[in-house]
Amino acid sequence: GDSVTQMEGPVTLSEEAFLTINCTYTATGYPSLFWYVQYPGEGLQLLLKATKADDKGSNKGFEATYRKETTSFHLEKGSVQVSDSAVYFCALSPYTNNQGGKLIFGQGTELSVKP
Amino acid sequence: DADVTQTPRNRITKTGKRIMLECSQTKGHDRMYWYRQDPGLGLRLIYYSFDVKDINKGEISDGYSVSRQAQAKFSLSLESAIPNQTALYFCATSDPPWQGRNEQFFGPGTRLTVL
Repeated sequence: GDSVTQMEGPVTLSEEAFLTINCTYTATGYPSLFWYVQYPGEGLQLLLKATKADDKGSNKGFEATYRKETTSFHLEKGSVQVSDSAVYFCALSPYTNNQGGKLIFGQGTELSVKP
Repeated sequence: DADVTQTPRNRITKTGKRIMLECSQTKGHDRMYWYRQDPGLGLRLIYYSFDVKDINKGEISDGYSVSRQAQAKFSLSLESAIPNQTALYFCATSDPPWQGRNEQFFGPGTRLTVL
């Protein structure tokens, strides 16, 4: 079945460091791909998304490119801030008529940014 | 006011007790979902509903039941709670993906502890 695998955390970085969180997926067809972020004590919120191969999603300085050839959707940010400390989830949505809209999540990667 | 609300936010109960977690939304979405979050496992889908008359089991429905009382309300019940149901529970809502946004909106979560 469809699945998502993320790099394990926690990831600890200094402020202004470069961030990469790896995400790979297994799916049939052409899923949509997402990154959600969970700040401490809160629910998840959409960070960015991509719906077809070679699309780049971007938001708040974060970006990720849908790579069908490597089945990947790695999250990157050029310069992290303390306020980026959170748990990041990669997810996919299988796009078939009877499953469209469901999300399959990776296990989450905790990011801690130190001043 | 929050678009997706969950009650209670925290609950401690004993093994064997019946528990109901409630979710309400003001986004006007037809689709609603219940997930549980466990450390290192990400979010896993328990049940989902694509409209008031449509209820579907997710990945981990055993030990849970749901009720879709109205478009805006979707409740999750644990008929006889057990300790391994201790987790963080999230409700989410969405439009169908073909309506464009293909994004789920999450409530703040309910932290359930079963002793």
